[in-house]
Amino acid sequence: QSALTQPPSASGSPGQSVTISCTGTSSDVGGYNYVSWYQQHPGKAPKLMIYEVTKRPSGVPDRFSGSKSGNTASLTVSGLQAEDEADYYCSSYVGSNTPYVFGPGTKVTVL
Amino acid sequence: EVQLVESGGGLVEPGGSLRLSCAASGFTFRNTWMSWVRQAPGKGLEWVGRIKSKTVGGTTDYAAPVKGRFTISRDDSKNTLYLQMNSLKSEDTAVYYCTTTTNTVTTWSWGQGTLVTVSS
Repeated sequence: QSALTQPPSASGSPGQSVTISCTGTSSDVGGYNYVSWYQQHPGKAPKLMIYEVTKRPSGVPDRFSGSKSGNTASLTVSGLQAEDEADYYCSSYVGSNTPYVFGPGTKVTVL
Repeated sequence: EVQLVESGGGLVEPGGSLRLSCAASGFTFRNTWMSWVRQAPGKGLEWVGRIKSKTVGGTTDYAAPVKGRFTISRDDSKNTLYLQMNSLKSEDTAVYYCTTTTNTVTTWSWGQGTLVTVSS
């Protein structure tokens, strides 16, 4: 079972940008363009924000963007707003038998 | 609108069993792959397992911690997903979410979750 790593926390002031990294290996993040990002507010179910590294589902603001370089994927939130304060999780496809793995999550604080 | 409503959670003793259900609506359930994801109190997300649509064989895959103890099934006539959990351990205590999934996206839509507590 592969493991993804994320920083435990990140922060920024309103209007600024924050970038969260998600580091894996060539067997997961680096091997497939199948990284997703999820936002979770306290007591709520997670919500898909980015899929297949860079794609945004309908209804997700374009302030949210994804990218990948090598074995590290990133989520950038531009123009931070108070409602962006939440936990963010990355996930990657890792192969056919145990196909998905989540990162440990990053708590984003809007200062 | 996609709706996923989980039920069946509760308190169970270690070694016991529990079956969760997920009623789906707002999409073509029989053509949709489904996953269960759990979240222990105060912890992160953990993928539990998935079931493909019957059109591609209806096969299942599981995470290592639950393999051999948990079974995912589906009843396409009732638009319902199930998670049968046996030999439950304290570390299975979590909110269990029903989700839609694809081969390239871990989860799309989520239910509201149902809490399972394994304790004596």
